[in-house]
Amino acid sequence: DAGVIQSPRHEVTEMGQEVTLRCKPISGHNSLFWYRQTMMRGLELLIYFNNNVPIDDSGMPEDRFSAKMPNASFSTLKIQPSEPRDSAVYFCASIQQGSNQPQHFGDGTRLSIL
Amino acid sequence: AQSVTQLDSHVSVSEGTPVLLRCNYSSSYSPSLFWYVQHPNKGLQLLLKYTSAATLVKGINGFEAEFKKSETSFHLTKPSAHMSDAAEYFCVVSFSGGYQKVTFGTGTKLQVIP
Repeated sequence: DAGVIQSPRHEVTEMGQEVTLRCKPISGHNSLFWYRQTMMRGLELLIYFNNNVPIDDSGMPEDRFSAKMPNASFSTLKIQPSEPRDSAVYFCASIQQGSNQPQHFGDGTRLSIL
Repeated sequence: AQSVTQLDSHVSVSEGTPVLLRCNYSSSYSPSLFWYVQHPNKGLQLLLKYTSAATLVKGINGFEAEFKKSETSFHLTKPSAHMSDAAEYFCVVSFSGGYQKVTFGTGTKLQVIP
């Protein structure tokens, strides 16, 4: 079991640049979640997908953020344009819907916007 | 609606003494409950889970938690703290009705004093 795989692990970029975070869920899991973690706000759910369809994106902070899941094995979270306040650790998690099992988390992407 | 409250943002214990991290929840449905641990600069790792089986749940690294429906609590305990237990701990509630959305507590930072 390879676990949830996120890339890159670290990203440092200048404000105004486009940032793309990637996630590969565990094979067979049909729900995928994107979280953001900061010191000020703790862990926040941004969006989650079920069977590649976005179900709840109410946590997405603003239009600069977008997420896609083109197939069952890949998702992206994009920020365009990026701002310093977007600096955070972004986690992806996946689960088999209805299984009562816990979410499995990736190791996160530490994003720094200068 | 569901919610989870971690009553202490910081807990400090001496090495070798018991650990108690408190968690209370509310859920309109029969909940599943989890504890995750996050070490510095790491992702979230599942410690243990309760999914309507035995109310006393044993997890990794000597941790356990007891589901008490009458008190709507799911406190995390360990008989003897180790230095390596220093981390942040998150209590999580979810229910399997419909799409599985989880709610995270705000986290408790555990400090272990030598």
